Amino acid sequence: EIVLTQSPGTLSLSPGETATLSCRASQSVTNNYLAWYQQKPGQAPRLLIYGASGRATGIPDRFRGSGSGTDFTLTISRLEPEDFAVYYCQQYDSSRTFGQGTKVEI
Amino acid sequence: EVQLLESGGGLVQPGGSLRLSCAASGSTYRSSAMSWVRQGPGRGLEWVSTISESGVITNYADLVKGRFTFSRDNSKNTLYLQVNSLRVEDTAVYYCAKGQYYFDLWGRGTLVIVSS
Repeated sequence: EIVLTQSPGTLSLSPGETATLSCRASQSVTNNYLAWYQQKPGQAPRLLIYGASGRATGIPDRFRGSGSGTDFTLTISRLEPEDFAVYYCQQYDSSRTFGQGTKVEI
Repeated sequence: EVQLLESGGGLVQPGGSLRLSCAASGSTYRSSAMSWVRQGPGRGLEWVSTISESGVITNYADLVKGRFTFSRDNSKNTLYLQVNSLRVEDTAVYYCAKGQYYFDLWGRGTLVIVSS
């Protein structure tokens, strides 16, 4: 099983700043089969990024995914108030597993 | 656009059973593989099962294999997850989600609590 470790656990930032979230895999994720989700309290997750860098429909270009192999990054530029949430990475190279999440808080 | 609405959750004793349903609306449902993902306290997000567009092929996480059964009735636009031999650690919000590998649409979830 591929274990995904996200860091940091919590990121404290202000609107307008840039958030950099890390997702590290226990073994290489081939073909960049990695996705990112956003989850707000009481809501289901929402797909942001697939294939490590492809933005899902309707996702603003402030959200950028990058990385390959075992190290992946989600960068959120110019944080908006609605961006404060928990973010999860997920690999779909070998079965499907999720990271434990990073909370982006004000 | 597909919309998903789960139902069927509740409080059940260890060893008990439930049938979760997911009603799908939208033209692309029948051409989509579908999945269940759960989110339990202390366990985070966890993929449970995936079913092919036709319903012929199903895959399960090792933790639920042999206990859960995923099916779909495309004539009713409904998905079902039969959950048997429930354990305390199966306590979670169960989400129906569109997709086979990554999940581009989620329902609001149905809560399953396994407790004596």
